[in-house]
Amino acid sequence: KQEVTQIPAALSVPEGENLVLNCSFTDSAIYNLQWFRQDPGKGLTSLLLIQSSQREQTSGRLNASLDKSSGRSTLYIAASQPGDSATYLCAVGGTALIFGKGTTLSVSS
Amino acid sequence: GAVVSQHPSWVICKSGTSVKIECRSLDFQATTMFWYRQFPKQSLMLMATSNEGSKATYEQGVEKDKFLINHASLTLSTLTVTSAHPEDSSFYICSAPGQAYNEQFFGPGTRLTVL
Repeated sequence: KQEVTQIPAALSVPEGENLVLNCSFTDSAIYNLQWFRQDPGKGLTSLLLIQSSQREQTSGRLNASLDKSSGRSTLYIAASQPGDSATYLCAVGGTALIFGKGTTLSVSS
Repeated sequence: GAVVSQHPSWVICKSGTSVKIECRSLDFQATTMFWYRQFPKQSLMLMATSNEGSKATYEQGVEKDKFLINHASLTLSTLTVTSAHPEDSSFYICSAPGQAYNEQFFGPGTRLTVL
């Protein structure tokens, strides 16, 4: 059974700092891996999708990597801003997804 | 991008009553939709897959007679929580796949509180 773990559960950083969020999964046979952002009481916003054949994806200040062999993914956020404060979710699967519990990020100004 | 809406955004009901939550794909058709549930500080858990024109597929541990799913059209899926109890209080989110490979669009979620 696939399990997704995210570390750390919470993270507080000052504005401008670069940071890395970690995601690990137990079954390397995945279709793809996605990173989402969830604001309090809100739905999900897709940030990056890495297909199983890819190793990384970039969008603006965000960069996500995927290492299927080790069952790990990282989300790198450059030059963090207070507006980046949210919960970041990692999910694996195809159309139906298995989620981690998320990392709650707080960026102070 | 495509938009998925949910209604209501929040609902409070008494224990023992039934509550219906709607999930709509606004500008695209979805033969399949997914229903997730999220308890506080927990991950989203897939509850069931809604299939237009056929029965829904439920994940292990999810009671199909309690969580009734109807995929009435190519743009609408409904989740009815029957005889709701306080432990059913949760955040319910639906999603629908888009046209692109493994593209997913999520609704804004529905906060259910059962008193």
